[in-house]
Amino acid sequence: AQTVTQSQPEMSVQEAETVTLSCTYDTSESDYYLFWYKQPPSRQMILVIRQEAYKQQNATENRFSVNFQKAAKSFSLKISDSQLGDAAMYFCAYFMEYGNKLVFGAGTILRVKS
Amino acid sequence: EPEVTQTPSHQVTQMGQEVILRCVPISNHLYFYWYRQILGQKVEFLVSFYNNEISEKSEIFDDQFSVERPDGSNFTLKIRSTKLEDSAMYFCASREYEGAGGYEQFFGPGTRLTVL
Repeated sequence: AQTVTQSQPEMSVQEAETVTLSCTYDTSESDYYLFWYKQPPSRQMILVIRQEAYKQQNATENRFSVNFQKAAKSFSLKISDSQLGDAAMYFCAYFMEYGNKLVFGAGTILRVKS
Repeated sequence: EPEVTQTPSHQVTQMGQEVILRCVPISNHLYFYWYRQILGQKVEFLVSFYNNEISEKSEIFDDQFSVERPDGSNFTLKIRSTKLEDSAMYFCASREYEGAGGYEQFFGPGTRLTVL
């Protein structure tokens, strides 16, 4: 079964600094998709960034980028120039078409200090 | 921008009662999902639905749960006899067909279910 591990229950970053959230996953498949979702206190699930496993290039969305290491099964999220609005719970998630479901990690709470 | 909607935002019920949580997925989407999140815990998959039938379900999704797409727009989750441990946030999600961006799931705002 696919599993997703987020080893950092909580992280803190100073405003305008950079922070990296870790995620590892376990799968025997070669085609899959990885996502980072943000969950603010409202508990809405907001997609931050996605990565297709067949793409070698790391995905980037404005201040958010990933470091995807397929062989190591690692998918970390880097947030540059952190803002107060980035404070939230961040979930790493794995999707494989066969199975047709998202598997989530336990989440990392990100706190941003002003 | 199209979005997934869910009603009600908060449902309070007595243990043993039936509840129906409602979702309106994005109109051109073909795959529908329910997830739940017990407070402070991770998001867990319940069920996926495609072509008017369940395509995958988790161990959580036992005989007390059912899903239905009664018309062309709504997607419902029914819990027949609620238990205290069913108290959670329930998220509906949908996605379109395979292809570029097709695997992204769009989530609704959630329904907070409280079982007393």
